[in-house]
Amino acid sequence: GAGVSQSPSNKVTEKGKDVELRCDPISGHTALYWYRQSLGQGLEFLIYFQGNSAPDKSGLPSDRFSAERTGGSVSTLTIQRTQQEDSAVYLCASSPGTSNDEQYFGPGTRLTVT
Amino acid sequence: GDSVTQMEGPVTLSEEAFLTINCTYTATGYPSLFWYVQYPGEGLQLLLKATKADDKGSNKGFEATYRKETTSFHLEKGSVQVSDSAVYFCALMEYGNKLVFGAGTILRVKS
Repeated sequence: GAGVSQSPSNKVTEKGKDVELRCDPISGHTALYWYRQSLGQGLEFLIYFQGNSAPDKSGLPSDRFSAERTGGSVSTLTIQRTQQEDSAVYLCASSPGTSNDEQYFGPGTRLTVT
Repeated sequence: GDSVTQMEGPVTLSEEAFLTINCTYTATGYPSLFWYVQYPGEGLQLLLKATKADDKGSNKGFEATYRKETTSFHLEKGSVQVSDSAVYFCALMEYGNKLVFGAGTILRVKS
């Protein structure tokens, strides 16, 4: 079946612009995660959605970052007023939702802020 | 907070050599432990996992044993192949289902 998909695969933006990154999880998966992979910080957790519960936003690095998940499926990560340090690969993952589940990762969106 | 430390790379081996990638963790409770692999040009995928002390995870000839007494989860393979060249990430999951990753270890296998 289809895996996790993300779009766009690459995004180049100017400093100060807003960007939106999209994630389509595996159908039926109730849990959705965003991570960031950068040279300086490695792989970092950003935010976690589980069903209809309030999201765990504890990993968001600043209030310029926000995410939503509509209808329990597609998620959008928004970065406002982008900075050069936001340049990274943004990874989305989903899982069936029970504890210790394998997380299935998408191919990522490479964001470059110039 | 929780953290994972893994050996720095790159690790360069000849085909059929024995592989060990060290991983140690710090956690307040009893986390689940994972090894993820990222092949060139591909996304992260789960290689193996262990959910409690003394469990051994295994897949594709790779093994790792959850050692609570040494807080370790070292990855081993008896005979590596060129196709094993990839970046390997050790990770733990304790609270809230979020993964905490190590820095990753690049493995290069030469024929």
